[in-house]
Amino acid sequence: DTAVSQTPKYLVTQMGNDKSIKCEQNLGHDTMYWYKQDSKKFLKIMFSYNNKELIINETVPNRFSPKSPDKAHLNLHINSLELGDSAVYFCASRHRGRAEAFFGQGTRLTVV
Amino acid sequence: AQTVTQSQPEMSVQEAETVTLSCTYDTSESDYYLFWYKQPPSRQMILVIRQEAYKQQNATENRFSVNFQKAAKSFSLKISDSQLGDAAMYFCAYSINQGAQKLVFGQGTRLTINP
Repeated sequence: DTAVSQTPKYLVTQMGNDKSIKCEQNLGHDTMYWYKQDSKKFLKIMFSYNNKELIINETVPNRFSPKSPDKAHLNLHINSLELGDSAVYFCASRHRGRAEAFFGQGTRLTVV
Repeated sequence: AQTVTQSQPEMSVQEAETVTLSCTYDTSESDYYLFWYKQPPSRQMILVIRQEAYKQQNATENRFSVNFQKAAKSFSLKISDSQLGDAAMYFCAYSINQGAQKLVFGQGTRLTINP
């Protein structure tokens, strides 16, 4: 069973479109994250949710809107996609009291 | 602000040999964690090893071990008996032990294993 799963794995879309990436974890973790990995492989935090509450928003354009319907899910919606949004987006989760985060397999978003 | 620096963009090693990947970090906090993550071509981020800052003993996981020098803010990863499956990007990461505990990553080191 996949612990942290993201869908889709690949997403190709045109500039100006709106798209969503879904993330689900079956580990019972209460904190979830979105990270962005750019073309140079650099990883950076975007958002963090704890028990459905937003606790980190790292100067991400407001075209990006995370939504957490429950503790096990954290979705990322992106409006008006731009070429610079092309990247790999990783979902991750962590259990309270534990240090390590577990990552999904990533979603490669390509904006053309 | 916390920063993590990996000064080796690429490293290579012969199969069965030992290689050390370097990482330095900057923080004013005293309670934090350090990690090494591996990203093979499959793109999956895999936790290799972690170290609690309050522990003096270096962490070890099978062929992987770290050299944690807290005063020098250095956290290197040693891979012994390198195997072809160790070929990947390796990321050093830091998180403070409070709040959201976001990970701050280094730039990564691409490790190649030569058969």
